[in-house]
Amino acid sequence: AQKITQTQPGMFVQEKEAVTLDCTYDTSDQSYGLFWYKQPSSGEMIFLIYQGSYDEQNATEGRYSLNFQKARKSANLVISASQLGDSAMYFCAKDSGGYQKVTFGIGTKLQVIP
Amino acid sequence: GAVVSQHPSRVICKSGTSVKIECRSLDFQATTMFWYRQFPKQSLMLMATSNEGSKATYEQGVEKDKFLINHASLTLSTLTVTSAHPEDSSFYICSARGDRSLANYGYTFGSGTRLTVV
Repeated sequence: AQKITQTQPGMFVQEKEAVTLDCTYDTSDQSYGLFWYKQPSSGEMIFLIYQGSYDEQNATEGRYSLNFQKARKSANLVISASQLGDSAMYFCAKDSGGYQKVTFGIGTKLQVIP
Repeated sequence: GAVVSQHPSRVICKSGTSVKIECRSLDFQATTMFWYRQFPKQSLMLMATSNEGSKATYEQGVEKDKFLINHASLTLSTLTVTSAHPEDSSFYICSARGDRSLANYGYTFGSGTRLTVV
């Protein structure tokens, strides 16, 4: 079974500072995708960033970057220059081999302090 | 591109009644749709996977007779909660799978439905 581990139930960060949200995963798949989503209190799932298992470079999307360490099965999200609007739940997720269902971690609640 | 519309966003129903939730891909064809359930302060748990024109595949522990899924076209999947009870109150969210080249790298989520059974 797929297992996604997020060990930080809650994180605080000062506005304009960078923050790293941790994610590790357990898999025997050769090919897979890793995702990070943001979920504000409204409930919608907002896609942030994607990393393919065969991508050699770490993914970046604006202020978001993914620190991908394949051998360690780690896919940490780095948010630079935090903004108040970044306060939300953040979920790490992985699709199983063959581009199938997505499994989610338990999430990290990020709070940005002014 | 890659927009999924989910309705209703909120619904309150009486215990024993049925509720239908619609998930529609507006600008792409979704051969597969996923239905998730999320309890307060918890993660998304996959309930079932539906493929257009075939029966849904349910995750272990999910009652298929209670949560009826229909995926009759490439753009529409529905989840019907039958004979709803207060313990079915939850946040239900769908995800449509399209081509990897689309926005969101193939998985687009609806905005969710908050179901309250009274």
